[in-house]
Amino acid sequence: DAGITQSPRYKITETGRQVTLMCHQTWSHSYMFWYRQDLGHGLRLIYYSAAADITDKGEVPDGYVVSRSKTENFPLTLESATRSQTSVYFCASSESRQPSHEQYFGPGTRLTVT
Amino acid sequence: AQTVTQSQPEMSVQEAETVTLSCTYDTSESDYYLFWYKQPPSRQMILVIRQEAYKQQNATENRFSVNFQKAAKSFSLKISDSQLGDAAMYFCALYRTDKLIFGTGTRLQVFP
Repeated sequence: DAGITQSPRYKITETGRQVTLMCHQTWSHSYMFWYRQDLGHGLRLIYYSAAADITDKGEVPDGYVVSRSKTENFPLTLESATRSQTSVYFCASSESRQPSHEQYFGPGTRLTVT
Repeated sequence: AQTVTQSQPEMSVQEAETVTLSCTYDTSESDYYLFWYKQPPSRQMILVIRQEAYKQQNATENRFSVNFQKAAKSFSLKISDSQLGDAAMYFCALYRTDKLIFGTGTRLQVFP
């Protein structure tokens, strides 16, 4: 019962490279989310998905691409990484969009763009 | 404009004492949820407590309780009998239009 996992846990990449962060959940939750955490900003929503093949933008979507071909996976791709995308990235999942259903967070991926 | 404001970047408390973390928020909705999340050094986000706005009774979870003042749009977290394991970042969050909006966090230090 792994719950929600993220890989890699740490990643260093160069400016301009493409990088994909993986997120996998074992609960068959409908909703999945990507957040980034930066000092002075807390967590900010990048993208979210209500179900397979349904995604929508959050607060800070520019420079990111998501897909969700399977319910359990929600990869986040930085098509051309920039230094401003250095951050800690969290994936989360929830049974529904109702706030009575808790969002469960993965352990995070620390991404450094040099 | 900041929707969720945590005005205390850092707080400290002695073990076994009580500490209160502040949070104010802004929303025009009449029914909404508020949350406190804990983030220890492991980075894992852990839900501590939640409050539904239409419930007047303040939520309580063991040593954690909230003081929810709807008119003042205030949602503070009280930690009683503080333990060393309570040391972490604490984030206040508002659920609004299908999304969680987080504050900037308060770092809590616990001294023995």
